[in-house]
Amino acid sequence: AQKVTQAQTEISVVEKEDVTLDCVYETRDTTYYLFWYKQPPSGELVFLIRRNSFDEQNEISGRYSWNFQKSTSSFNFTITASQVVDSAVYFCALSEAVGNTGKLIFGQGTTLQVKP
Amino acid sequence: EAGVTQFPSHSVIEKGQTVTLRCDPISGHDNLYWYRRVMGKEIKFLLHFVKESKQDESGMPNNRFLAERTGGTYSTLKVQPAELEDSGVYFCASSQGLLTTDTQYFGPGTRLTVL
Repeated sequence: AQKVTQAQTEISVVEKEDVTLDCVYETRDTTYYLFWYKQPPSGELVFLIRRNSFDEQNEISGRYSWNFQKSTSSFNFTITASQVVDSAVYFCALSEAVGNTGKLIFGQGTTLQVKP
Repeated sequence: EAGVTQFPSHSVIEKGQTVTLRCDPISGHDNLYWYRRVMGKEIKFLLHFVKESKQDESGMPNNRFLAERTGGTYSTLKVQPAELEDSGVYFCASSQGLLTTDTQYFGPGTRLTVL
């Protein structure tokens, strides 16, 4: 069965600290996609990254970086030098490629609070 | 280019009433999805349209929920009659359509409160 676990319910850091949000997934498929979305206080879900199961290269985008490790079924997200504007709920999600209509399986979300 | 829009942003109704939520996907996106987040839990899939056809409605909770996408453009999700447990945030997402694993872009959600 497909499942995404974000064990950290809430994280609080002080501005400029680095923070890592954990995501562990379960799937029986060999082809799948992983996503991260950000939900700021305004409520919309903002797409951050999409990664397929065959690409284990880490990705960096500005202060954001993602570490994909198939061996541990993890797709962790690190924010370097956090800022107050990073405060949001972050969701990790999984989509299987085979026999799937594209529905996303979400984790429970991690609420990140960055204090000034 | 306009993103996914949803209307209304908030709705407060009494148990037993009917509510209709609307979603306008990004122009040209064939795939349209509905999801729901109930009280701090994970976001859960409800159903998926390709153009006007329902491809997967395995996540619809029961027959009080009816989704339509006439003409393959905007979609509506009707809850009739609403129950207390239907309260939550209803999200709509759309994707371009060539691959079902294309990135889905979400709207701001409709917060539904059933009293």
